[in-house]
Amino acid sequence: KQEVTQIPAALSVPEGENLVLNCSFTDSAIYNLQWFRQDPGKGLTSLLLIQSSQREQTSGRLNASLDKSSGRSTLYIAASQPGDSATYLCAGLGGSNYKLTFGKGTLLTVNP
Amino acid sequence: DAGVIQSPRHEVTEMGQEVTLRCKPISGHDYLFWYRQTMMRGLELLIYFNNNVPIDDSGMPEDRFSAKMPNASFSTLKIQPSEPRDSAVYFCASSLGWAGYGYTFGSGTRLTVV
Repeated sequence: KQEVTQIPAALSVPEGENLVLNCSFTDSAIYNLQWFRQDPGKGLTSLLLIQSSQREQTSGRLNASLDKSSGRSTLYIAASQPGDSATYLCAGLGGSNYKLTFGKGTLLTVNP
Repeated sequence: DAGVIQSPRHEVTEMGQEVTLRCKPISGHDYLFWYRQTMMRGLELLIYFNNNVPIDDSGMPEDRFSAKMPNASFSTLKIQPSEPRDSAVYFCASSLGWAGYGYTFGSGTRLTVV
């Protein structure tokens, strides 16, 4: 059974800092890995999707990497802004059961 | 497209009552998912449909939970009878294909059972 872990559970940084959020998964037979953002009281918004054959994906100030062999993914946020404050969740899509398994997320606070 | 639409946004009900949550997926999406989110357990997949057919309901916690998708534009999640431990935020999501592309969540229904 796939398990997804995100560390740290919460992170507070000053505006302008570059930061990395971590995600680890137990079953390397994933089809893809997605990063989502969740604002308070809202649903999840997909940020980046990395196929198992890819190593990274970029969108604006966001860069996500995937290392299947070590069971790890990272989300790099450059030049953080207060508007980046949210909970970030990663999710692995099972290669055999086609289900997304979510981590519990990292609550990011960017202070002005 | 208006995105995935869920109703109601908030529901407060008494223990033992029937609760029905509603979802309208994005037009053209062929997969629909129901999730439950709690602080303790995070996001849990309850059930998902493909082309209106339930594919995997192994996440449904008990027989008190049931879900239907009578057509491509509407799905319901029903809890009967409701219990306080069912209190959570319930999300509906839809996607085009099983690989998760265009995975879109609704804003959720916050259910409180007192």
